[in-house]
Amino acid sequence: DTGVSQDPRHKITKRGQNVTFRCDPISEHNRLYWYRQTLGQGPEFLTYFQNEAQLEKSRLLSNRFSAERPKGSFSTLEIQRTEQGDSAMYLCASSGPPNQPQHFGDGTRLSIL
Amino acid sequence: RKEVEQDPGPFNVPEGATVAFNCTYSNSASQSFFWYRQDCRKEPKLLMSVYSSGNEDGRFTAQLNRASQYISLLIRDSKLSDSATYLCVVNLYNQGGKLIFGQGTELSVKP
Repeated sequence: DTGVSQDPRHKITKRGQNVTFRCDPISEHNRLYWYRQTLGQGPEFLTYFQNEAQLEKSRLLSNRFSAERPKGSFSTLEIQRTEQGDSAMYLCASSGPPNQPQHFGDGTRLSIL
Repeated sequence: RKEVEQDPGPFNVPEGATVAFNCTYSNSASQSFFWYRQDCRKEPKLLMSVYSSGNEDGRFTAQLNRASQYISLLIRDSKLSDSATYLCVVNLYNQGGKLIFGQGTELSVKP
């Protein structure tokens, strides 16, 4: 399967814990995006990378959130000191040129107890 | 005001019906447009791109009106398998290509 893959699919953790998610994009795609989706809403943009450079971060991304793409391939999204409001589906997508459709991974569903 | 607005529905229609979804966007810098389909608890999947000239893919027809900042999706001869949430999406590729999603319109096709 050469699509976007995300790991883990589900994560349940207690409030205050740190969590880290991984995304492996389609190999020839240089752009990688993170989105967050809550129930009944469309996905919301969090941040994106072109190769290893993080070029934009949404105001939704508080200082508890950090994302990396160290070698321009896979990316990680870390949330420190998780809060109830962090419960959501975290989606990763990748694309080639910016005007082309983005392809999404299965997402990581985060539940904070 | 949301950047992309859709009627959340739900739209409940019988098999074989024709159903139309509408969407408006506020950012005139929006440059690419898409409809994505999302099944319950799954990731969004590209249904089709939307062009000013209109485009058709089988039973699906999409239309863009840049002057009115309006996007539509028409589904003919609805199937049970069309039941899903349809997301209207604009691409700000002068802002790195980030996607702005509407809330989604829920469609339920009944036998």
